[in-house]
Amino acid sequence: GAGVSQTPSNKVTEKGKYVELRCDPISGHTALYWYRQSLGQGPEFLIYFQGTGAADDSGLPNDRFFAVRPEGSVSTLKIQRTERGDSAVYLCASRPAATRTHEQYFGPGTRLTVT
Amino acid sequence: QKEVEQNSGPLSVPEGAIASLNCTYSDRGSQSFFWYRQYSGKSPELIMFIYSNGDKEDGRFTAQLNKASQYVSLLIRDSQPSDSATYLCAVNPSGGYNKLIFGAGTRLAVHP
Repeated sequence: GAGVSQTPSNKVTEKGKYVELRCDPISGHTALYWYRQSLGQGPEFLIYFQGTGAADDSGLPNDRFFAVRPEGSVSTLKIQRTERGDSAVYLCASRPAATRTHEQYFGPGTRLTVT
Repeated sequence: QKEVEQNSGPLSVPEGAIASLNCTYSDRGSQSFFWYRQYSGKSPELIMFIYSNGDKEDGRFTAQLNKASQYVSLLIRDSQPSDSATYLCAVNPSGGYNKLIFGAGTRLAVHP
């Protein structure tokens, strides 16, 4: 079946602008995660959705970052007043509803460059 | 101390050899452990997971977990040049299944 999809694959924006990154999880996966990966580092957790609600947003770096998942499927990560330090690959992952081992499956990512 | 630690490498092994990748974690209550492979410019791909002490084998891959030592490893037998990638260790911390904590990854280079 189809995997996690993310759009756009690349986004270049100017400092101070607003961006939206979209994630479409694997069909039937109720859990959705956003991570951010900088060069040479592992992915860093941002936020976790179970269904429509954000169950854990402890990884969001500040209030410029916000994410929604209004219908429990597609999610949008929103970044206001972008800064050069926001440049990274933003990864989305999803997980089935009931697995003992809680493995997550990643999408291809969106590479964000803030100039 | 980082929550999940890995040697950055590169780990260089000849084709056909066994590659051994290691990872330590700090949260003693961690519950599940994962190995992801990441090719340059690509997203992480799940290759193994383990949650019980001992060994788990899947084809050429074996994951080993020792919770007492807070240590997890990945062995790749009969290494191939196509195995050359960064291998990320990830851990479900205690307190729930809401996130994975990743190490920085070990770069593996398999040379012919």
